[in-house]
Amino acid sequence: KNEVEQSPQNLTAQEGEFITINCSYSVGISALHWLQQHPGGGIVSLFMLSSGKKKHGRLIATINIQEKHSSLHITASHPRDSAVYICAVRDNNNDMRFGAGTRLTVKP
Amino acid sequence: DSGVTQTPKHLITATGQRVTLRCSPRSGDLSVYWYQQSLDQGLQFLIQYYNGEERAKGNILERFSAQQFPDLHSELNLSSLELGDSALYFCASSVQGLYGYTFGSGTRLTVV
Repeated sequence: KNEVEQSPQNLTAQEGEFITINCSYSVGISALHWLQQHPGGGIVSLFMLSSGKKKHGRLIATINIQEKHSSLHITASHPRDSAVYICAVRDNNNDMRFGAGTRLTVKP
Repeated sequence: DSGVTQTPKHLITATGQRVTLRCSPRSGDLSVYWYQQSLDQGLQFLIQYYNGEERAKGNILERFSAQQFPDLHSELNLSSLELGDSALYFCASSVQGLYGYTFGSGTRLTVV
């Protein structure tokens, strides 16, 4: 069993829809990251969280340390948001562990 | 341009060979991380260096090694290459891992 589980694996939405991607982890962590990988392969770090909530533009990330769960929300989704979203955690041994990613397709 | 530079962008080499991938971190970042992304394994953490010293080790094979130089650039050496080593290799940097990461655009390695 992967220590970092993401859901859903694939997600198709219509432009303008509100999107939620979930991440659950089973190890103790010092931080959780949300990454975005575009079709060309490039990776962008969206958020790093250790508690609470962060917002950047239309993106919101939350984390519940007690429940070992994080969510990434996209408001007013747009086709350019189409990408793979990866949850990654930094465990207490300083190792990074990655979820399998959620492939998001936003249709116009 | 993210500020993290990886070279080369593409590399094709034969099995059994050795290659060196290079990463220049964003100015001011002391930490460098190496990741491997293959089709079947997803994104995997290989190794982290902080200010020249190894800080954390992930799923890095013994055939692979890395180092960070005094000017903070890092090199990932892959030897005795196998077909299964074909992957995207990413480098990322951060100040101390405290403020998020900046990823390079990756090196696509193809072993034939």
